[in-house]
Amino acid sequence: RKEVEQDPGPFNVPEGATVAFNCTYSNSASQSFFWYRQDCRKEPKLLMSVYSSGNEDGRFTAQLNRASQYISLLIRDSKLSDSATYLCAVNMKTSYDKVIFGPGTSLSVIP
Amino acid sequence: GAVVSQHPSWVICKSGTSVKIECRSLDFQATTMFWYRQFPKQSLMLMATSNEGSKATYEQGVEKDKFLINHASLTLSTLTVTSAHPEDSSFYICSASRDFQETQYFGPGTRLLVL
Repeated sequence: RKEVEQDPGPFNVPEGATVAFNCTYSNSASQSFFWYRQDCRKEPKLLMSVYSSGNEDGRFTAQLNRASQYISLLIRDSKLSDSATYLCAVNMKTSYDKVIFGPGTSLSVIP
Repeated sequence: GAVVSQHPSWVICKSGTSVKIECRSLDFQATTMFWYRQFPKQSLMLMATSNEGSKATYEQGVEKDKFLINHASLTLSTLTVTSAHPEDSSFYICSASRDFQETQYFGPGTRLLVL
């Protein structure tokens, strides 16, 4: 099993749609979780950190389920500018600290 | 916000040469820096994690003698690709964080093309 897995995608949705991405992780000791977006040929940009209580930032909502070891990202009222690849990142508390990224889920918002 | 720079942005070099990439945290002290590699249409692959003043921890399959990482100060880490070959051509991205548990801030990346 991969350390961090994501919905394979791609997701093609119309403007205004709501879309949800899921990400699962294998290390139950993981403590920090993040969602990043990456535009083509650019570096990842932090979208939001994910907290146990869940958190919301405008049209974006992130949830963490420790028992099932997954995090989710919900995007409401999709905009064309939301088209990007969405990466989840998890810190893996192993013999040393490291942050692992999922393979990413591509989103295309269509007019 | 926290700013991380990388230099150079682009490198084109001949096979067999060594290439050094710098990663700098401009407005904060980075206890931990990470180096990633990303091939086209693939995700970021962690190469190594480095803490200031100590040796980098390399991921399985990453040759430490080929990818030399130095994190000599709290604002600078360097990655040297030694004797680069065409298969080393990739997008190399660094990130930095104040503390391991905190958010990583990414540099803009360096595109390496080895001819």
